[in-house]
Amino acid sequence: DTGVSQNPRHKITKRGQNVTFRCDPISEHNRLYWYRQTLGQGPEFLTYFQNEAQLEKSRLLSDRFSAERPKGSFSTLEIQRTEQGDSAMYLCASSALIAKNIQYFGAGTRLSVL
Amino acid sequence: AQRVTQPEKLLSVFKGAPVELKCNYSYSGSPELFWYVQYSRQRLQLLLRHISRESIKGFTADLNKGETSFHLKKPFAQEEDSAMYYCALSGDFNKFYFGSGTKLNVKP
Repeated sequence: DTGVSQNPRHKITKRGQNVTFRCDPISEHNRLYWYRQTLGQGPEFLTYFQNEAQLEKSRLLSDRFSAERPKGSFSTLEIQRTEQGDSAMYLCASSALIAKNIQYFGAGTRLSVL
Repeated sequence: AQRVTQPEKLLSVFKGAPVELKCNYSYSGSPELFWYVQYSRQRLQLLLRHISRESIKGFTADLNKGETSFHLKKPFAQEEDSAMYYCALSGDFNKFYFGSGTKLNVKP
């Protein structure tokens, strides 16, 4: 598989539960981005990594959100104590350092918080 | 503040008609502008970027710094162009800002 892979594709959870999503970027892509997309809106930047370093994080991201990329390959996004307002599509994208602004997107993880 | 505005939620045109999807941006520096497209049941993908100055699938977009616009144009729309189109801006610290998208519907 040469594309960006995200798992799970769908997640239904109850309010207050923790959830974790995984993103596997295109191999050898140094940069990895997380976005959130709600209905009728474009992707909203959450955070990005260059290799294992988290270089930028949106001020909109509450303390309940945390992202890691421990070995500079796959990344996880965890949401603690989920709220109904967290319901959205969570997108991951990766890019190569040499073409850093050409992002390749995954299919996303759709989160529904009941 | 950085912002990307796509004023049209939906744009319907007939096959063969010209199409223009509008994008305006607000940014204090020198941004890089992009158009992304999402076809039905497919993932978001890059269509074109302003620094490439190329035509992709017959689409072109010119960055107008004076009007802070980056409108997407195609002289003759095709049915397979029907999709969601997002304008995006890359600014400081490699953060990306997306517009809310325009759904293009090309009627036969």
